[in-house]
Amino acid sequence: EVQLLESGGGLAQPGGSLRLSCAASGFSFSIYAMSWVRQGPGKGLEWVSGISANGDSTSYANSVKGRFTISRDNSNSTFYLQMNSLRVEDTATYYCAKGYCGDTSCSSDSWGQGTLVIVSS
Amino acid sequence: DIQMTQSPSSLSASVGDRITISCQASQDISTNLNWFQQKPGKAPKLLVYDSSNLETGVPSRFTGSGSGTDFTFTINSLQPEDFATYYCQQHDNLPLTFGGGTKVDIK
Repeated sequence: EVQLLESGGGLAQPGGSLRLSCAASGFSFSIYAMSWVRQGPGKGLEWVSGISANGDSTSYANSVKGRFTISRDNSNSTFYLQMNSLRVEDTATYYCAKGYCGDTSCSSDSWGQGTLVIVSS
Repeated sequence: DIQMTQSPSSLSASVGDRITISCQASQDISTNLNWFQQKPGKAPKLLVYDSSNLETGVPSRFTGSGSGTDFTFTINSLQPEDFATYYCQQHDNLPLTFGGGTKVDIK
């Protein structure tokens, strides 16, 4: 059974940083792309970032480009989202998601339960 | 970025009804369109991939169709557990983008 467990959410000040982690199990992590999707309070889904299976290709939404960095550690079946220069509008539940292929453009077939990030002074 | 326009944004229906949701892409995305269901406080769930393919385990009352820029998602004979919000997502071009969602509630 695919399991995705996010951690690292919490309260941060505007301009601050947080690092989200997603620990994966139940599948061959190194052959699937992974992504982060967020949902602001009462809002719809927004794809944030994706990374290819071997980590050599990444992509970002325009809203986070230059501020967020996605990475992965295939030896530990974990991937990350480093969030810098946080803004109030980054407040959201962040979901990690497993792709159904290895390419960065792959959509997702399994999701974690989400971790809440609140950016406020 | 490809813009995804979903309609309606909400609808009210009864158990047993047939409902249809539309999703329009701002450019040709072939059949690179998925549909997700999300219930309050829960993670999204993939229902249909590549426009018309049902994910394993998803009931056959859910169907998807379309190609190019216009797509349709239908639930035949709505069940109580189907009241939720539905999202389309294109995976033709990066960044991936979602429609605004359609909330289906009980009439």
